[in-house]
Amino acid sequence: GAGVSQSPSNKVTEKGKDVELRCDPISGHTALYWYRQSLGQGLEFLIYFQGNSAPDKSGLPSDRFSAERTGGSVSTLTIQRTQQEDSAVYLCASSLIFTLAGVRRYNEQFFGPGTRLTVL
Amino acid sequence: ELKVEQNPLFLSMQEGKNYTIYCNYSTTSDRLYWYRQDPGKSLESLFVLLSNGAVKQEGRLMASLDTKARLSTLHITAAVHDLSATYFCAVDASLYNTDKLIFGTGTRLQVFP
Repeated sequence: GAGVSQSPSNKVTEKGKDVELRCDPISGHTALYWYRQSLGQGLEFLIYFQGNSAPDKSGLPSDRFSAERTGGSVSTLTIQRTQQEDSAVYLCASSLIFTLAGVRRYNEQFFGPGTRLTVL
Repeated sequence: ELKVEQNPLFLSMQEGKNYTIYCNYSTTSDRLYWYRQDPGKSLESLFVLLSNGAVKQEGRLMASLDTKARLSTLHITAAVHDLSATYFCAVDASLYNTDKLIFGTGTRLQVFP
């Protein structure tokens, strides 16, 4: 079946421009996550959406970053007035958080291929 | 603070050798995930460990979970070049009222002839 897809795969932009990155999660997955990965580094959590709950924005590095998820499916991560330090690979993941009798069972995240953002 | 530490951060090993990657975490959790990332690629799910004492094996890789010690291991048996990648562990922090996974720093594995 179809996995998580992201677009564009590569984005080169000039400093100060706004960019939008798109994520299409696996159909039926209730949770969607955005991460950032700088060259040779680990994953930096940015934001996640779960069902109809308010998103957890605790990882967003500044108010230039925002994200929305429309209709519980597609998500867009927007970076305004891009800076060179925003250059990284932006990864999206989705999961079906499975709860049984009120107990969280598992939350295996499936990752998209990423968008490589280069800010000149 | 929820922390997940992996060691070593970098591992260079010869084909045919065995080695173990360690994942220590500070949270209370009974669910842990291992991922593999090839250079320039995204993360691929390897193992899902859902309880204390869980052990999963796939080919030359075996993962285990000890929730009392807050430790997971990824054991590599008779390494081959195709295993060269970066391996991440991630801990489920749902007991802390969050749907986030807390990722480790990653272990970059290089297998040479």
